[in-house]
Amino acid sequence: DQQVKQNSPSLSVQEGRISILNCDYTNSMFDYFLWYKKYPAEGPTFLISISSIKDKNEDGRFTVFLNKSAKHLSLHIVPSQPGDSAVYFCAASPSGNTPLVFGKGTRLSVIA
Amino acid sequence: EAGVAQSPRYKIIEKRQSVAFWCNPISGHATLYWYQQILGQGPKLLIQFQNNGVVDDSQLPKDRFSAERLKGVDSTLKIQPAKLEDSAVYLCASSRGAGRYGYTFGSGTRLTVV
Repeated sequence: DQQVKQNSPSLSVQEGRISILNCDYTNSMFDYFLWYKKYPAEGPTFLISISSIKDKNEDGRFTVFLNKSAKHLSLHIVPSQPGDSAVYFCAASPSGNTPLVFGKGTRLSVIA
Repeated sequence: EAGVAQSPRYKIIEKRQSVAFWCNPISGHATLYWYQQILGQGPKLLIQFQNNGVVDDSQLPKDRFSAERLKGVDSTLKIQPAKLEDSAVYLCASSRGAGRYGYTFGSGTRLTVV
């Protein structure tokens, strides 16, 4: 029962182009969504988040879009840089004191 | 601020042996989590502590896994006896509050059971 789904295990993008990572969720109780980035041999680090009352949140090169009716969110990275090469995890939380639920991750490779 | 500290970084044990992992969260973070990340999958919650009390351990295999957080600070996660399928990275995370605050993860302990 996978509540957070990242259906693309990997993505390869050229440096300078846009990277789009997708995430779908099934639990309509989720109201807060986060993206984490993970380099090898390190723990995931928080990247950007969005509340269900918004449909877009931007932080520098990173923008997260939320489509509640489709239960879909995406992370856009523009322009992509080689240092962005990592595994990206989508995570979600319902309101209240409930732990994050993570997707399986998407491995992004940015090619110079 | 100092990050979440975990030790050891790597551990190799034989099946049926026991192993323990240690985590020191960020100072002042009341909530501590242990996640298991099997290769190719996302982190899966094992247990959540609020101060020194267990909030959620519904996914902890209690026949072999145990965890404690004495005095509401450091935490240990133990596996006894280990199985081959326990091979994974064990991640500790802490946060000021619930999920919406985001977590700070440690670097994890990579366990290999042979």
